[in-house]
This record gives sequence, structure tokens and C-alpha cells, in this order.
Amino acid sequence: DTAVSQTPKYLVTQMGNDKSIKCEQNLGHDTMYWYKQDSKKFLKIMFSYNNKELIINETVPNRFSPKSPDKAHLNLHINSLELGDSAVYFCASSPVRGAGSGNTIYFGEGSWLTVV
Amino acid sequence: AQSVTQLGSHVSVSEGALVLLRCNYSSSVPPYLFWYVQYPNQGLQLLLKYTTGATLVKGINGFEAEFKKSETSFHLTKPSAHMSDAAEYFCAVLGSQGNLIFGKGTKLSVKP
Repeated sequence: DTAVSQTPKYLVTQMGNDKSIKCEQNLGHDTMYWYKQDSKKFLKIMFSYNNKELIINETVPNRFSPKSPDKAHLNLHINSLELGDSAVYFCASSPVRGAGSGNTIYFGEGSWLTVV
Repeated sequence: AQSVTQLGSHVSVSEGALVLLRCNYSSSVPPYLFWYVQYPNQGLQLLLKYTTGATLVKGINGFEAEFKKSETSFHLTKPSAHMSDAAEYFCAVLGSQGNLIFGKGTKLSVKP
């Protein structure tokens, strides 16, 4: 029973296309995240939502738009894909918002996006 | 602002040898620290975390880490490496907004 699941796992698409990555968590967590891992394996936060409210919006091109229909889902939509968007995108969730009590963040398996 | 530095982008050990992966942090508040492991083509799995209390933290797969405030370190160790430990390891500190701030990762190779 996967706790944080994201689809698709692999996605190859052409420049200029629009694509979405879906994420669902069945842990009952309040907070969800999108992280990006670049070609050098560096991980960085993109967005964070708490109960459907946007909390963190890092410096990300506005071609990237997160959508949270409910607190168990956080989808990532990317418009006009560029070669530089090729990366691994990780969805994650945590029980609460903020750093209290050493909040633990649980990650999905990742979505490997290749733009050609 | 918080940050994490992992010393050594690549560490190679022989099977059965001690594993030591180094992590230093910077934080203006008492830090919450984590180690995650990423196997090839897989997601991030939590190995262990330090919040408060005991400074020696035991995790899964025989790994442990010691929080040393005086040295601002949180190094990961395992007494005896297995081939299955070969992976990328990430140290992270919990940021003020609840997100993880990662180091650049250390790739562990295990030689037979």
C-alpha cells in the first residue's frame, strides 16, 4: 500500500508540450510538497501546500503550476516544456506544517521527466 | 538561514568496512536533522532523524548518526558495509517553513 504515489514514473515529451504529474497520499497528512532533483542530484523545494493552501512557492518559472483539489492530492502542471525542465520531480507529504516536533517528510518514488 | 554541507561527493569502501558519510549543518535555531537514502531510480527513503534528546540516533539497515552540537555535525556511520548499501545519501535540515534543505548528496560505492 503505497503511502505517497505519483504518476507517471517516466515521461518523455517534446519541447513546447504541456504535461501534468499527479500525486496522492493516503497517510492523512496535512502538508504536501513538490521537490525537483536536477541532473547533479541536487534536491530543492518547489512548492508546499497545507490543507489546500499554498505555503511555499520558491523561485520557479510560472510555467509550473501546482493544483491541490483536496489535501490528499497535489498535482504539478507544466506548460510549454523546455529542455531544462528535464529532471526528477518528487512529491512528498508530512503530518503537519512547519518544523514543530521534528516534522518528518515522506517521499514518493519520483517522476522522471525527459524533454526532447 | 539553514544549510547543510556534505563532505565528499563520492565515498568508496570495501564490503565489510566502516562507512562514514560526513554532514555539517548551519542553523540559528536548534536543528532537526535527517538522513535519506536514494537507491538507483527510486525515491527517497528516511534512514534516521534527530529531533531532540539522545544525540546518537539509530536508523534502519544498521545505520546510525551522532548529533554533535559543538562540531555542528551529523555524520552517518555503519560498522560494516554491504553491497546493498550502494546508493546516494542525503543529509538534510528542516527549514523554518517545514521544508527540507538538502546537502548535495554523497554517492556510496561498495567494492566486493
